[in-house]
Amino acid sequence: SQQGEEDPQALSIQEGENATMNCSYKTSINNLQWYRQNSGRGLVHLILIRSNEREKHSGRLRVTLDTSKKSSSLLITASRAADTASYFCATDARSGNTGKLIFGQGTTLQVKP
Amino acid sequence: DAGVIQSPRHEVTEMGQEVTLRCKPISGHDYLFWYRQTMMRGLELLIYFNNNVPIDDSGMPEDRFSAKMPNASFSTLKIQPSEPRDSAVYFCASSLSGKAKNIQYFGAGTRLSVL
Repeated sequence: SQQGEEDPQALSIQEGENATMNCSYKTSINNLQWYRQNSGRGLVHLILIRSNEREKHSGRLRVTLDTSKKSSSLLITASRAADTASYFCATDARSGNTGKLIFGQGTTLQVKP
Repeated sequence: DAGVIQSPRHEVTEMGQEVTLRCKPISGHDYLFWYRQTMMRGLELLIYFNNNVPIDDSGMPEDRFSAKMPNASFSTLKIQPSEPRDSAVYFCASSLSGKAKNIQYFGAGTRLSVL
């Protein structure tokens, strides 16, 4: 089964609103990453949070990590139409740094102008 | 750097034909990954290499799929014979171990349609 599970699967909001996406995972991790995928494109790395961090910011992005609950959230503030994309969380396994990431199923975000 | 380069961008073929997808990773990266993405199954890791050596091919669906990495700047994913259920977008990604913390850089993908 997938290491990362995103919630919700789909989200539709108005421009200017905030969008929150959640990710749960199963095993202990070194870090958790979020990626964005625009339609017809490859995934693009957005932000990485280490297992010893609880919160991280990058521009309009805010990521939180709760290792006790094995969950993370991605908040996009003041959303724009250009934020319309699918968002994926990805985790690496703490045991044996193999370079491999496990991606979740993704959240599809639609931001209406 | 131009990023990860995949070719072709689109491939339409008939069932039974051989298909070869190509990937040039970012120069200096030591990991290369092949993924398949469909609406039904999402993003699946097929195989990945470290320093040109296959590390885990457990995601390769069948013996019809094979992948090679003859050198650090080139990899191929071959499907022979192809079937309609192989229709998907295939992504190649590369990463650099160590301080880069395994951030993966994806190519634009190859959209494969098997008729």
